[in-house]
Amino acid sequence: EPEVTQTPSHQVTQMGQEVILRCVPISNHLYFYWYRQILGQKVEFLVSFYNNEISEKSEIFDDQFSVERPDGSNFTLKIRSTKLEDSAMYFCASSKASADTQYFGPGTRLTVL
Amino acid sequence: GESVGLHLPTLSVQEGDNSIINCAYSNSASDYFIWYKQESGKGPQFIIDIRSNMDKRQGQRVTVLLNKTVKHLSLQIAATQPGDSAVYFCAEHMEYGNKLVFGAGTILRVKS
Repeated sequence: EPEVTQTPSHQVTQMGQEVILRCVPISNHLYFYWYRQILGQKVEFLVSFYNNEISEKSEIFDDQFSVERPDGSNFTLKIRSTKLEDSAMYFCASSKASADTQYFGPGTRLTVL
Repeated sequence: GESVGLHLPTLSVQEGDNSIINCAYSNSASDYFIWYKQESGKGPQFIIDIRSNMDKRQGQRVTVLLNKTVKHLSLQIAATQPGDSAVYFCAEHMEYGNKLVFGAGTILRVKS
């Protein structure tokens, strides 16, 4: 069964450093998403991406965040200058269409020191 | 504002019993609702969804009920098994846009 994959599983970085989280969505899906989950809290929407552009973003997704689909398979989330409060699990998801089921990857645990 | 919340943070059930996990939502601008299961250290796993024009949908051992009048969603798990132990999230898909709005989660503990 096809699934969303994410790398790395755990990323540790120093405050102020840039990080790139990588995702490979399900191959025939057209919509891609990033969510985050701070420890013990609920999953929060960050951004959705379709047709090589952002279709929706939340207030969390400020100028420090960016997304890119550099090739036909990868989808990345970049945080330019990490802050302590960026520490969280980051989940990538994908769906065939906007109103279709979103399937989530296993997540990347980001720890900012 | 929009929010999706849960009544009970933790539910403990005996193996073999049925489980019912509840969710209240406040936003009417949604086209479907989804239940996800999240095991420790893993991402949310899709269980079942229901469109807003339906009130009941059944899957394998699971049933989702939607009551739009009182904005309430429930997940029923039949013959609960130890492998069902996880955190369960309801999520609301917003009709205009792409995002899911998640509830706070309910921990389901299955006692053998």
